Amino acid sequence: DARVTQTPRDKVTEMGQEVTMRCQPILGHNTVFWYRQTMKQGLELLAYFRNRAPLDDSGMPKDRFSAEMPDATLATLKIQPSEPRDSAVYFCASGLWLENTGELFFGEGSRLTVL
Amino acid sequence: RKEVEQDPGPFNVPEGATVAFNCTYSNSASQSFFWYRQDCRKEPKLLMSVYSSGNEDGRFTAQLNRASQYISLLIRDSKLSDSATYLCVVRRYSTLTFGKGTMLLVSP
Repeated sequence: DARVTQTPRDKVTEMGQEVTMRCQPILGHNTVFWYRQTMKQGLELLAYFRNRAPLDDSGMPKDRFSAEMPDATLATLKIQPSEPRDSAVYFCASGLWLENTGELFFGEGSRLTVL
Repeated sequence: RKEVEQDPGPFNVPEGATVAFNCTYSNSASQSFFWYRQDCRKEPKLLMSVYSSGNEDGRFTAQLNRASQYISLLIRDSKLSDSATYLCVVRRYSTLTFGKGTMLLVSP
């Protein structure tokens, strides 16, 4: 049963520390998204990749966030330095992007708490 | 104005009830529409796509009104297992924009 895998599941860190979240998309999916979810804002798109190329990262605070896809089996989201306002659940999702399809498969999320 | 707006709820209904959720979207260039379901502390999952002609999947019926920029989801004969947050989702080009969701609580 193919699934998107994210690590870590939970992370508690102190303000100023670097945080790296990893995602293994479903094999064969050509599009990978990073979303952040908070009670206040809901699901916000941070960045996405098509065939490993970054297409849009306008939702990401550029000064501290970076997203990469070093190969087809790994996407990373890095926060440096982390701040308390970054506390959220970070979801990675992958899909086979065809016209009019909207099915994304989400990982279980990485719950980040920055103290 | 937010791109996708939903009533956050919660909607509290008894088992067997019929419940309807609405969603409005602001960008008339939006191309396709979906409902996702998210259980508490879980990831979102696709529930169904929404077609212009309306579509049904078992107890679930989705409708789209492009002129009013309005999407709806109707759940008939509610089950306890339908308790979740229902996210309205809009696609434009390559991105999906999610509403903040409507919470449904079905009680015995």
